[in-house]
Amino acid sequence: DVVMTQSPLSLPVTLGQPASISCRSSQSLVHSDGDTYLIWFQQRPGQSPRRLIYKVSNRDSGVPDRFSGSGSGTDFTLKISRVEAEDVGVYYCMEGTHWPPYTFGQGTKLEIK
Amino acid sequence: EVQLVESGGGLVQPGGSLRLSCAASGFTFSNYWMNWVRQAPGRGLEWVANIKQDGSEKYYVDSVKGRFTISRDNAKNSLSLQMNSLRAEDTAVYYCATDFFACSGDSCRQTSWGQGTLVTVSS
Repeated sequence: DVVMTQSPLSLPVTLGQPASISCRSSQSLVHSDGDTYLIWFQQRPGQSPRRLIYKVSNRDSGVPDRFSGSGSGTDFTLKISRVEAEDVGVYYCMEGTHWPPYTFGQGTKLEIK
Repeated sequence: EVQLVESGGGLVQPGGSLRLSCAASGFTFSNYWMNWVRQAPGRGLEWVANIKQDGSEKYYVDSVKGRFTISRDNAKNSLSLQMNSLRAEDTAVYYCATDFFACSGDSCRQTSWGQGTLVTVSS
């Protein structure tokens, strides 16, 4: 199974400052169809997860443009250009290229400094 | 509006059984793969199982193979997870979720999640 490794696991950020989360996979996530099935989820405290980004860099409808995804192969990044209070929560990457199983990263907890 | 409502969680003894249900509305249920994902208290997300639109394909994480069975009833817009031989490590909030990659070309429909139902396995 693919192992997804996120860093950091804890991310204190000052309001208005940028934030960056790394996600590395144990093998390339490029599918034979040419797509890369990498998702970023946000889970706010007490809520269900919500998909923010799919296929590395595509923002879901309603997701603020301060969120962006990038990367290729085995290295991926979620960036928040200016952190707002509503961004507090845990962020997970998940790969869907080599399913089953779908595998998640351990999660990165973003908090306000 | 898409809605997924899980039910059936509760306290069960080790070795016991429980059946979770997920009632879907607001979308064409029969068009989507469906997933169960769980989250142990204070822990991360773990994909558990999924099922194809017509129920002809089912997949499970290794830790639940042979103990859990996923099923669906498209006529009733319902997803189920039969959990047998439960263990303490199965304790978690169980979420149902729509397909993570319901894509057409470069565009993928949003994934929807229920609010989750808590399963506690303890004596």
